Amino acid sequence: AQKITQTQPGMFVQEKEAVTLDCTYDTSDPSYGLFWYKQPSSGEMIFLIYQGSYDQQNATEGRYSLNFQKARKSANLVISASQLGDSAMYFCAMRERAQGGKLIFGQGTELSVKP
Amino acid sequence: GAVVSQHPSRVICKSGTSVKIECRSLDFQATTMFWYRQFPKQSLMLMATSNEGSKATYEQGVEKDKFLINHASLTLSTLTVTSAHPEDSSFYICSAIQTTGTSGRESYNEQFFGPGTRLTVL
Repeated sequence: AQKITQTQPGMFVQEKEAVTLDCTYDTSDPSYGLFWYKQPSSGEMIFLIYQGSYDQQNATEGRYSLNFQKARKSANLVISASQLGDSAMYFCAMRERAQGGKLIFGQGTELSVKP
Repeated sequence: GAVVSQHPSRVICKSGTSVKIECRSLDFQATTMFWYRQFPKQSLMLMATSNEGSKATYEQGVEKDKFLINHASLTLSTLTVTSAHPEDSSFYICSAIQTTGTSGRESYNEQFFGPGTRLTVL
């Protein structure tokens, strides 16, 4: 069974608008972490935001926020005020405590920001 | 954040040759490193977990004799693709974990990625 699911292969957003990238996950481990990474065409993995399973509040980092709905097992990334430089692949990932530090990645969403 | 380097960034080799890729944590010690493989327009797939001083743990379906991993020091892990073939052409990315502290039930392990190595086998 897929542990991390991103159902949007590609997304378009107008510059300066907000966009939500979907991510659902599946785990029986009560202790886990959820991550979002950005991968531009250069290939580097850029860490954006982290949400721990025990965190009470949704994580925010600048223009990025994570809409964490634990009961629904979803961890959607919201990018506000999109910029042209936000065009990239975005990956959701999960780390389960029982699995040590290894990350399991979703399929990715390719975001294109239109001027 | 901490820096992880990979060398080389690009390599082109002939079919049948072996290629070594290095992953270094530059300003911290990493007891655990990970190796991922990524095909174009696809996700990162974990290949193996590399632990300093012990044998690597490979994910299901990854040939350990083909992808040799050595983690001889706290700052260096190497991935050797042996007898490379065109189907091994891919983007290989390493990551390293730095434990920064603990709080309650959570240990804060930050994971830092290298810039990746693009392997092309002719």
